[in-house]
Amino acid sequence: EAGVAQSPRYKIIEKRQSVAFWCNPISGHATLYWYQQILGQGPKLLIQFQNNGVVDDSQLPKDRFSAERLKGVDSTLKIQPAKLEDSAVYLCASSLDPAGYANTGELFFGEGSRLTVL
Amino acid sequence: SQQGEEDPQALSIQEGENATMNCSYKTSINNLQWYRQNSGRGLVHLILIRSNEREKHSGRLRVTLDTSKKSSSLLITASRAADTASYFCATAGPYGNKLVFGAGTILRVKS
Repeated sequence: EAGVAQSPRYKIIEKRQSVAFWCNPISGHATLYWYQQILGQGPKLLIQFQNNGVVDDSQLPKDRFSAERLKGVDSTLKIQPAKLEDSAVYLCASSLDPAGYANTGELFFGEGSRLTVL
Repeated sequence: SQQGEEDPQALSIQEGENATMNCSYKTSINNLQWYRQNSGRGLVHLILIRSNEREKHSGRLRVTLDTSKKSSSLLITASRAADTASYFCATAGPYGNKLVFGAGTILRVKS
């Protein structure tokens, strides 16, 4: 079974530039998550999709971050314009059901996209 | 916030010893999960324990949950150098659809 695919693995940009990250979840997984992990910290949820609808985006800085999940499969996360504090690893994860549902709850993570903003 | 907080922040042990990590959280939960992250990699799910469970085992892993104290512990027995990683607890709230991670414990197993 193929895992969660993310690209690019690494990206270096200047502040105020834009960047986009792509995620392809595990086939059949309805729920897709984008997490931001700053060095030395735990992952912070940015946005959660159920199929192609947004379940939670309460911690997404909407003035600069946007995300979409077309056709309930692939997803892209965009940052425009980037700030120095956006330097982090952006992790995409998917699951069969949301984290607390009865039968599952396990999230499968990709390897992440490491962003450095100079 | 329901965010878990791990303790200790860092742990260094010898190969063969047991490692215990603790997690505390603030609000009621549907389940609590533990994940491992090797340096520069994504997170890997280890074990999930539901709010009505008190203990679960998986191989060399033992997880306990005390909902009255809002705490959980992860025990890794007979540790190996390959267990060197960061370990995170994550809690799913009572309505279940959001997983919140703690700051993690860095485990180093010396051979």
